This record gives sequence, structure tokens and C-alpha cells, in this order.
Amino acid sequence: DSGVTQTPKHLITATGQRVTLRCSPRSGDLSVYWYQQSLDQGLQFLIQYYNGEERAKGNILERFSAQQFPDLHSELNLSSLELGDSALYFCASSPAGQFSPLHFGNGTRLTVT
Amino acid sequence: ELKVEQNPLFLSMQEGKNYTIYCNYSTTSDRLYWYRQDPGKSLESLFVLLSNGAVKQEGRLMASLDTKARLSTLHITAAVHDLSATYFCAVEGDTGNQFYFGTGTSLTVIP
Repeated sequence: DSGVTQTPKHLITATGQRVTLRCSPRSGDLSVYWYQQSLDQGLQFLIQYYNGEERAKGNILERFSAQQFPDLHSELNLSSLELGDSALYFCASSPAGQFSPLHFGNGTRLTVT
Repeated sequence: ELKVEQNPLFLSMQEGKNYTIYCNYSTTSDRLYWYRQDPGKSLESLFVLLSNGAVKQEGRLMASLDTKARLSTLHITAAVHDLSATYFCAVEGDTGNQFYFGTGTSLTVIP
């Protein structure tokens, strides 16, 4: 158990809808990362937050947004969903500073029908 | 953008054999990580390599880092079925705010 909690585990929704994925980082970790994993795109970095502030942005679509709250949990909001958004979404956390591996949650499997 | 390439993408090997997975990257970073992912599961950290010449070993797996060649290797010794998984290398960017993952190597060990 990595200590990173993601909910829900599975999500099935229709095109055009909006969903929110939630992540609680390991105790003491200030950084939260979001990744999208799909068969054709591999593991794609979406966005990183550190202690409530956005630190880095990757290949995140404008339809997607995220935030990190004062208690350090994070939410990834996906709107106007398309079939191609179906993927496994991972949250990972790491402590302050560098040289630490990411600790991944179990992911949320999103299926858009 | 930093690029991380792994090869091979798919590897099928017999139990008891040795093989090496290669990870090439396009930056001067000296921080490289290896992860394992079982099908439908999360990623698990295997090794952290933080300097040129670093070598780490755990059981039948050994990872090394050559920052001058921008190359890391994951060597598998006397493979067993339990090692079947997808292995990812990841390079940490200069600011420490991004981890760039390779494409992954899907390893299948055949009895």
C-alpha cells in the first residue's frame, strides 16, 4: 500500500458529462501529480501541485482542470468528456524536495460511453 | 521536451534466462527511477538512481545509470514468472517538478 488514496476506483459516464477524481496523498507529502495512462499514449503527465500551488503543467487539455486544497488532497476535474478520455488516471505524491520517487495511487479507471 | 525511450517495448523470455532493458533519455539529468506495473494495477517504485555510475540490486533485478551516455539499464538475472510485468523508467526534470516516463517494457516470462 503506497499510502496514496484515489476515489472512485471506477467511473462510467457518457460523452459530454463532467466528472471529478479525488486523490489524498501520503501523509506528509506536499506534492501531488496527475497522470493519464492509455494504451496508445502511455503514461502522460498532466499537472503537478505543491502545497496548494500549481508547479508544472504537462499535456493537460483545456477541458481538464485540477486543484490542491489546504488539507493537500487534490481533485482532477474532467469536463465535456469524449470517448478518447477513457483511460486510467493516476495520482502520485512525493515529499518536499527532490530525489524522491513518486508514490502512486491505485488509479481511477474512467470509461466514457 | 525531454524524451525517454525504452527498448524493447515487448520482451518474452524463458525462465532462467538473462536479459537487459534499456532506457535512453535526452537530458543531462542524473536522477532516474525504475517502476514496475502489474496489469491493471498501480506503479511500484523499484529503484532510485541519483548519480553517474549508480548501481542498485534487488533480488534478480539490477539497475544502473550512466549519465554521460544518458542511459540506464535494468538487468534481469535468471528470470522467473513472478517478474512478468511492465517496467517503466522515469527521468526527473531539472526543476524536480516533472517526471518523464518511458514507453514501458512489457515483460513476459515463460515457464
